[in-house]
Amino acid sequence: DTGVSQDPRHKITKRGQNVTFRCDPISEHNRLYWYRQTLGQGPEFLTYFQNEAQLEKSRLLSDRFSAERPKGSFSTLEIQHTEQGDSAMYLCASSFGSNQPQHFGDGTRLSIL
Amino acid sequence: QKEVEQNSGPLSVPEGAIASLNCTYSDRVSQSFFWYRQYSGKSPELIMSIYSNGDKEDGRFTAQLNKASQYVSLLIRDSQPSDSATYLCAVGAAGNNRKLIWGLGTSLAVNP
Repeated sequence: DTGVSQDPRHKITKRGQNVTFRCDPISEHNRLYWYRQTLGQGPEFLTYFQNEAQLEKSRLLSDRFSAERPKGSFSTLEIQHTEQGDSAMYLCASSFGSNQPQHFGDGTRLSIL
Repeated sequence: QKEVEQNSGPLSVPEGAIASLNCTYSDRVSQSFFWYRQYSGKSPELIMSIYSNGDKEDGRFTAQLNKASQYVSLLIRDSQPSDSATYLCAVGAAGNNRKLIWGLGTSLAVNP
């Protein structure tokens, strides 16, 4: 049973560039979550999927952020026209159904120059 | 707004002591409760889940849930320096989506 896998582990980019992150959940998990975390804060919910359906997207999330889970397996998170404030750790988690614990990947650390 | 609150700490305990971490939540109909450990620069790691009132023990860890008082706690017995980390409380919201509501975490330092 492999865990949640995220790629890349680190991303450094210039302001204004687009970036895309990938998450591969635990294979039997139908729910997939994206979070953002900055130093000293708890995970901030961004969006989540049940199978291929995106069920909720944070109102705090600007239109520059988009996520997909096309076949109900892996997911991608894209940030367009990156800004300094986007620098954070982006975490992906998966679970088997609601009310079940979420298991996290190692995260992607994004740094905006 | 549904909230989960934790004392940010830092909580400092000597090696071998019991560390007690507390979490309160606002949504009375919450059904699932989780404790995660997060080392600096790493992602959260699940250490305990609890769904019913009372105590649940797993090794040196005990989770305690009191739904009437809306709090959940984590006890760490025989604390070790390797337990030094931030402990995050997460509560499963009721309703169709049932996403987790996260606290900001309590920083624990175990001193040798």
